[in-house]
Amino acid sequence: KAGVTQTPRYLIKTRGQQVTLSCSPISGHRSVSWYQQTPGQGLQFLFEYFSETQRNKGNFPGRFSGRQFSNSRSEMNVSTLELGDSALYLCASSFSGDRDQYFGPGTRLLVL
Amino acid sequence: GNSVTQMEGPVTLSEEAFLTINCTYTATGYPSLFWYVQYPGEGLQLLLKATKADDKGSNKGFEATYRKETTSFHLEKGSVQVSDSAVYFCALISNFGNEKLTFGTGTRLTIIP
Repeated sequence: KAGVTQTPRYLIKTRGQQVTLSCSPISGHRSVSWYQQTPGQGLQFLFEYFSETQRNKGNFPGRFSGRQFSNSRSEMNVSTLELGDSALYLCASSFSGDRDQYFGPGTRLLVL
Repeated sequence: GNSVTQMEGPVTLSEEAFLTINCTYTATGYPSLFWYVQYPGEGLQLLLKATKADDKGSNKGFEATYRKETTSFHLEKGSVQVSDSAVYFCALISNFGNEKLTFGTGTRLTIIP
């Protein structure tokens, strides 16, 4: 069974631009969560989607948004990028009702 | 709110040494507890878990026991290998319908041959 895939793996953007990251969950998994990992703040929860609905949201500004499609694939968008948005963005999927979350390799975003 | 406190790193051990990485938590109710491992340049891998008090999670020689009385979930391995070098994260999910993982700060482990 294929694991969680994330595209792109690496991204370089400049301040003020916007970016869209993609996540394809494990087949059959309907829950997708996003996390931001930085050296200073560690791993922080962004949001979780289940059946195309945002079910939980972390403490991030409105510049961070996401969505989920009917095939459970998810995207997250960051608008008006800031230098502090440079991070590894991790996506995780889980089967409905199971708390085991399986992570993708991440997208490393560098904002210049 | 929920929080996880992990042993400060980095930790450096010789091959075949005994490993303990301490983890304590604060949470309401009865959370599920996890250990994740992150190898260089990769995402997180679920190492082991425990879902109720006194449960012992185990995988690849690693073990951790859910201790409700001390709110702890310490990771142990009897004989570490160079391939165990990685960053280890303790995490929890609250039992109240919120699937958000709360992570500790991570402990970097280096095993010397």
